[in-house]
Amino acid sequence: DVKVTQSSRYLVKRTGEKVFLECVQDMDHENMFWYRQDPGLGLRLIYFSYDVKMKEKGDIPEGYSVSREKKERFSLILESASTNQTSMYLCASSSTTGVQETQYFGPGTRLLVL
Amino acid sequence: AQKVTQAQTEISVVEKEDVTLDCVYETRDTTYYLFWYKQPPSGELVFLIRRNSFDEQNEISGRYSWNFQKSTSSFNFTITASQVVDSAVYFCALGYRANNLFFGTGTRLTVIP
Repeated sequence: DVKVTQSSRYLVKRTGEKVFLECVQDMDHENMFWYRQDPGLGLRLIYFSYDVKMKEKGDIPEGYSVSREKKERFSLILESASTNQTSMYLCASSSTTGVQETQYFGPGTRLLVL
Repeated sequence: AQKVTQAQTEISVVEKEDVTLDCVYETRDTTYYLFWYKQPPSGELVFLIRRNSFDEQNEISGRYSWNFQKSTSSFNFTITASQVVDSAVYFCALGYRANNLFFGTGTRLTVIP
């Protein structure tokens, strides 16, 4: 089974802090994704990566950056957290063996920025 | 541009009732993929089904069934004889850009015992 893990289930940070959210997958997947989920808005793509050290902006990249130094790990960074970044963050991974492979998700991190 | 509409924000049913969750999509692509995911209270999205645009056969898996109709751009999901464990938020998603997904806003299903 695919296993995607996220470093924290719940996180409380203060405005202006630098926040790191970590995601690790154990299936040797090439693609990794970061989403945020907000009530009434569904899931929105922040950034994705299709290879080590590669990254591409998703639909809402402002205020975020990412890092992928190893294939299995994809980090989301909030350089200076703001209250409007309070949200549920979900990481996913998928292979590239075919077109539009299934994405598998981690348990999510609920971030509260005070 | 891609668009996925799940018009039902919340649905409540009594246990053992059948329930259908609607999904309507828009895309200019001729080849595309559609997905359903389940998000139980624990928060993790669980993959349910993946269907490509060339395969319009309905699919049944236990109490779950999916009705894909290209003519109406719909990919509806039916749960037969619902159970309390089916209570969750269900998301429909459309694949684009080879590896990305565009999600609907989700339907929260509550099954009342």
